[in-house]
Amino acid sequence: DGGITQSPKYLFRKEGQNVTLSCEQNLNHDAMYWYRQDPGQGLRLIYYSQIVNDFQKGDIAEGYSVSREKKESFPLTVTSAQKNPTAFYLCASSTSGELFFGEGSRLTVL
Amino acid sequence: AQSVTQLGSHVSVSEGALVLLRCNYSSSVPPYLFWYVQYPNQGLQLLLKYTSAATLVKGINGFEAEFKKSETSFHLTKPSAHMSDAAEYFCAIQGTGGFKTIFGAGTRLFVKA
Repeated sequence: DGGITQSPKYLFRKEGQNVTLSCEQNLNHDAMYWYRQDPGQGLRLIYYSQIVNDFQKGDIAEGYSVSREKKESFPLTVTSAQKNPTAFYLCASSTSGELFFGEGSRLTVL
Repeated sequence: AQSVTQLGSHVSVSEGALVLLRCNYSSSVPPYLFWYVQYPNQGLQLLLKYTSAATLVKGINGFEAEFKKSETSFHLTKPSAHMSDAAEYFCAIQGTGGFKTIFGAGTRLFVKA
């Protein structure tokens, strides 16, 4: 089945550590996105990529980095510079405006 | 700049009652508008979308929404709530030809037996 696969589903990290969240899609979509979800705040855009080897900052890019070396893959690194990284992270791809989401990754900083 | 406002962070209805979730938008260009649903600890899935065709849009699971330009609204309705409708609902906007989708804060729907 086609879809978005995020891993890991749950992740714990110590303060000061970088962590990378994986996102893979087999929908052949050009555009991919990373959103952060916090209770009561909806989804906020971290980074997005319209095409391979190109990406743009979203509204809350500070403390995050991404790469887009392959059409299928759009990993997100949460760096130690991110002051409040505990959140639910959602990856998506899109066609014709509609977003297709993965199941999410819940990151907890201890 | 585009934005979306969802009125009410929580809505509670009885099973079989009308569901009405409110969404107002702000946009300087004709927008694409969406409603997504999220079940606990899952990603979002599309309920319906408006892309400047018919103003009354029918979606999955019996939901529909009406685009009202004069009121800048895109409220979501369902005639009869079911227990399985309990979830969080997000209204979202995207500018024509754009790549960025902006989400509202979400409305959590509770359905009472």
